[in-house]
Amino acid sequence: KAGVTQTPRYLIKTRGQQVTLSCSPISGHRSVSWYQQTPGQGLQFLFEYFSETQRNKGNFPGRFSGRQFSNSRSEMNVSTLELGDSALYLCASSLITGSDSPLHFGNGTRLTVT
Amino acid sequence: KNQVEQSPQSLIILEGKNCTLQCNYTVSPFSNLRWYKQDTGRGPVSLTIMTFSENTKSNGRYTATLDADTKQSSLHITASQLSDSASYICVVGPLGDMRFGAGTRLTVKP
Repeated sequence: KAGVTQTPRYLIKTRGQQVTLSCSPISGHRSVSWYQQTPGQGLQFLFEYFSETQRNKGNFPGRFSGRQFSNSRSEMNVSTLELGDSALYLCASSLITGSDSPLHFGNGTRLTVT
Repeated sequence: KNQVEQSPQSLIILEGKNCTLQCNYTVSPFSNLRWYKQDTGRGPVSLTIMTFSENTKSNGRYTATLDADTKQSSLHITASQLSDSASYICVVGPLGDMRFGAGTRLTVKP
């Protein structure tokens, strides 16, 4: 079974631009969640989608948004990029939503904002 | 203040030795505690998930313990291998409200 796939692997953008990241979950997984990882703040939860509905959202500004499609693939968008948005963005999928569901992470998209 | 504190911040051990990583949390209410291994440049990989009623859980050479009364967990690695060199992250809370530790950076030297 293929793992969680994130594209692109690396991205360089300029302040003020917007960016869209993509995540393809493991086949059959319906929950997709997104995380930001930086050296200073560590891992932080962004949001979770299940069956095309946003179930939970972390403490991030409205510039961060996401969506999930009927095939469970998900995208996240960051508008008006700031230097502080430079980070590794990780996506994880799980079979179901719920507190004990194992999460399967992709290898992330490394975003650099200049 | 982070609600999940991990120690030590970094650790260097010789191949074949055992080690123990610590995780203290103040997250409440408690739902579960997870340990992840993250190799450089890759996404985290789940090692164990423990609920309130579980004291110990093993995954090969990795054994996690949980004391819900003292809100402490440990990850014990037995007979370390070079491939164990990675960051180990403790995560507490349900999906959607997870609190992450800053991780312990483990280096295993030959």
